[in-house]
Amino acid sequence: DTEVTQTPKHLVMGMTNKKSLKCEQHMGHRAMYWYKQKAKKPPELMFVYSYEKLSINESVPSRFSPECPNSSLLNLHLHALQPEDSALYLCASSQDTLWGSEAFFGQGTRLTVV
Amino acid sequence: GENVEQHPSTLSVQEGDSAVIKCTYSDSASNYFPWYKQELGKRPQLIIDIRSNVGEKKDQRIAVTLNKTAKHFSLHITETQPEDSAVYFCAASSSAMDPRGSTLGRLYFGRGTQLTVWP
Repeated sequence: DTEVTQTPKHLVMGMTNKKSLKCEQHMGHRAMYWYKQKAKKPPELMFVYSYEKLSINESVPSRFSPECPNSSLLNLHLHALQPEDSALYLCASSQDTLWGSEAFFGQGTRLTVV
Repeated sequence: GENVEQHPSTLSVQEGDSAVIKCTYSDSASNYFPWYKQELGKRPQLIIDIRSNVGEKKDQRIAVTLNKTAKHFSLHITETQPEDSAVYFCAASSSAMDPRGSTLGRLYFGRGTQLTVWP
């Protein structure tokens, strides 16, 4: 299994809603990532988890809250988002965070904040 | 941190022609350089990568070259086909420090190249 699976594929939420994005991998990877991607732009790193511990937070606003319940799962909890947060949210995983580990991307969640 | 520049931002070629996309990086310690292809509405997919101890790598119609001295790397696609049309991102893996003081790697992406192959 070389898949990173994300749910849901699409999400529309109001600015007062609370929702969660989910990501799952069964490749035994110990590093997991959240990226945000706007149209025609490269993925922007948000968070890195290494061995289930948060290793990098790229100064992401607190309305985005990551969680890594176990080595296969990664969640992104959303609360009080703004319309400018609408984007494709990509999860990725890699064997570890050592240099040179290939990153596998999930298909993404297309988020629209209304 | 690392800075990756990618050129051109758009590239149009006729089917069967070659396409070349170039990237430069700033951190001489970067040691892994993947290329991702992203079709409209889909995930980025790794198409080829190269490590700093190798100068060139080829996989069928796709090749990547790396010049460590000049800090640049390039993607070469030969005999292009309409299905090669997509956005291509280069990336470089450089070091970062986590809160516990451990060094870890992270990817820095170029801004992307929209490749269009006309039949």
